[in-house]
Amino acid sequence: KQEVTQIPAALSVPEGENLVLNCSFTDSAIYNLQWFRQDPGKGLTSLLLIQSSQREQTSGRLNASLDKSSGRSTLYIAASQPGDSATYLCAVSLNQAGTALIFGKGTTLSVSS
Amino acid sequence: DAGVTQSPTHLIKTRGQQVTLRCSPKSGHDTVSWYQQALGQGPQFIFQYYEEEERQRGNFPDRFSGHQFPNYSSELNVNALLLGDSALYLCASSLGLAGAEQFFGPGTRLTVL
Repeated sequence: KQEVTQIPAALSVPEGENLVLNCSFTDSAIYNLQWFRQDPGKGLTSLLLIQSSQREQTSGRLNASLDKSSGRSTLYIAASQPGDSATYLCAVSLNQAGTALIFGKGTTLSVSS
Repeated sequence: DAGVTQSPTHLIKTRGQQVTLRCSPKSGHDTVSWYQQALGQGPQFIFQYYEEEERQRGNFPDRFSGHQFPNYSSELNVNALLLGDSALYLCASSLGLAGAEQFFGPGTRLTVL
């Protein structure tokens, strides 16, 4: 059974810091991995999608890496801003035939000004 | 370009009642998935619809059922509501079944009293 774990559960940093969020999964047979952002009580915003054949993806100040063999992904946020405060969720897609996502519980990030 | 829309935004029901939630996918998408997110948890996959058929199902009882219409919109029905069904219900859309990037709606907050 695929399980996704995100560490730490919560993180507080001052504005301007670079930070790394971690995601691990137990079964390396994934199709892709997606990082999302969720503001309190809101839906999910897709940040980055990494296909299983890729090692990393970048969008602006965000960079996500994927190491399938070790079952790990990291989301790097450069020069953090108060507007980055949210919960960040990692999810893996299990196979090509479907799009069911298995989520971690998320890391709640607070960036202080 | 309209994103994923869901209705209603909030809903309050009592135990034993039935509820119907609605979702319109992002323009150009043909696949709809439903997720349940309890407070402080990551979303849990309920089921997925493609070509008006349920293609994948998560570990949810038969009280949870759905439908997809020819215009790709979808409904989630929950019968015999329990207190534990209180959650944020998220709809996600994508193109096809091959592990495509998923885009989420704002969610419907269901409270069961």
